Amino acid sequence: QQKVQQSPESLIVPEGAMTSLNCTFSDSASQYFAWYRQHSGKAPKALMSIFSNGEKEEGRFTIHLNKASLHFSLHIRDSQPSDSALYLCAVSRGTQVVGQLTFGRGTRLQVYA
Amino acid sequence: AQTIHQWPVAEIKAVGSPLSLGCTIKGKSSPNLYWYWQATGGTLQQLFYSITVGQVESVVQLNLSASRPKDDQFILSTEKLLLSHSGFYLCAWSLRESQNTLYFGAGTRLSVL
Repeated sequence: QQKVQQSPESLIVPEGAMTSLNCTFSDSASQYFAWYRQHSGKAPKALMSIFSNGEKEEGRFTIHLNKASLHFSLHIRDSQPSDSALYLCAVSRGTQVVGQLTFGRGTRLQVYA
Repeated sequence: AQTIHQWPVAEIKAVGSPLSLGCTIKGKSSPNLYWYWQATGGTLQQLFYSITVGQVESVVQLNLSASRPKDDQFILSTEKLLLSHSGFYLCAWSLRESQNTLYFGAGTRLSVL
């Protein structure tokens, strides 16, 4: 069974800082890797995803994937107070495998002005 | 545009009482549908998924059941609530061809006393 772990559990950073969130997974056959963001009391929302090794950048957000290390990360450049939320990583074996998206417990990020 | 509506927004129920939560998706034909549960401070746990009307797969056993009576409707229920059922229940949908990107509803916050 897939195990997904996130670190750190929580993070407090000043506005403008670079923030790095980590996710490790156990199933080496995993093919889909994603980050979701959940503001307090709200539903999670997909942030970005990646399929192959390397990095992908969208605005202030960059996702890094290293399948050999069973690790991927999310980097937030110029962190803003509006980025304060619970960040959940998610992993699955592929787009055609229904119902096997596994989430981590989340990293709670607080950005102060 | 697709919309997902969950009801009720919140419930306070007694242990042993029945429960019914609902979810409706508009603007998307034959989506995959999911029920997730999130304990306070806990990870997202997938409960059920459905790829078609009348067909529901259980992922974990929590003394809950789910049904999909219509293409756009997903129901979560139990006849007897337990204290451990408290938490945040989220309905989600995904496209058949992009099954990993989940679009969540606003959720139902359930307190069992």
